[in-house]
Amino acid sequence: GQNIDQPTEMTATEGAIVQINCTYQTSGFNGLFWYQQHAGEAPTFLSYNVLDGLEEKGRFSSFLSRSKGYSYLLLKELQMKDSASYLCAVRDKAAGNKLTFGGGTRVLVKP
Amino acid sequence: DTEVTQTPKHLVMGMTNKKSLKCEQHMGHRAMYWYKQKAKKPPELMFVYSYEKLSINESVPSRFSPECPNSSLLNLHLHALQPEDSALYLCASSPRTGGEDEQFFGPGTRLTVL
Repeated sequence: GQNIDQPTEMTATEGAIVQINCTYQTSGFNGLFWYQQHAGEAPTFLSYNVLDGLEEKGRFSSFLSRSKGYSYLLLKELQMKDSASYLCAVRDKAAGNKLTFGGGTRVLVKP
Repeated sequence: DTEVTQTPKHLVMGMTNKKSLKCEQHMGHRAMYWYKQKAKKPPELMFVYSYEKLSINESVPSRFSPECPNSSLLNLHLHALQPEDSALYLCASSPRTGGEDEQFFGPGTRLTVL
């Protein structure tokens, strides 16, 4: 099975930086995804990591360390519209490449 | 066309009703998924179809019956549901089940079982 942990909630100020950590345990790691989900809406894809290192996409960056079972999502220059849940999801090839989601981190951006 | 559509947006049904949720994508994706999401919880995988064949069933009760009539369509037939089945049902698709392919999610059907 898989165990994916991320903080439940974080608060940050507009214009600041927030880092959301995700730790996981899986037998057949085959990629880690970050999704953003606004309340009542579908998840939207943010980033994908399968090799160690940092992937940068505009204001969002994601980092992976496979040996540590660890990833983080970095949100820079926070905007009010970034208030949402951020879901870490791990794909496991030992389980048919299915995606398992962590509990999600609710980020509240304050003015 | 780069979206996944789902109908209906909202559904209220009684425990004796039979209803169906529909999902459609025209991106040529060959993997399609059903997820269930309760409030303030992450999506939970229910079923995976790969090339129109059921490849994963996450021990879902038989009152949920998936169907993939063709590569663009995915249905979820509902019968004799329980109030605890009330949730947001999300459909997703990806080019295939592995690789770098992210899953594209539809807007979901919010289901209420009375």
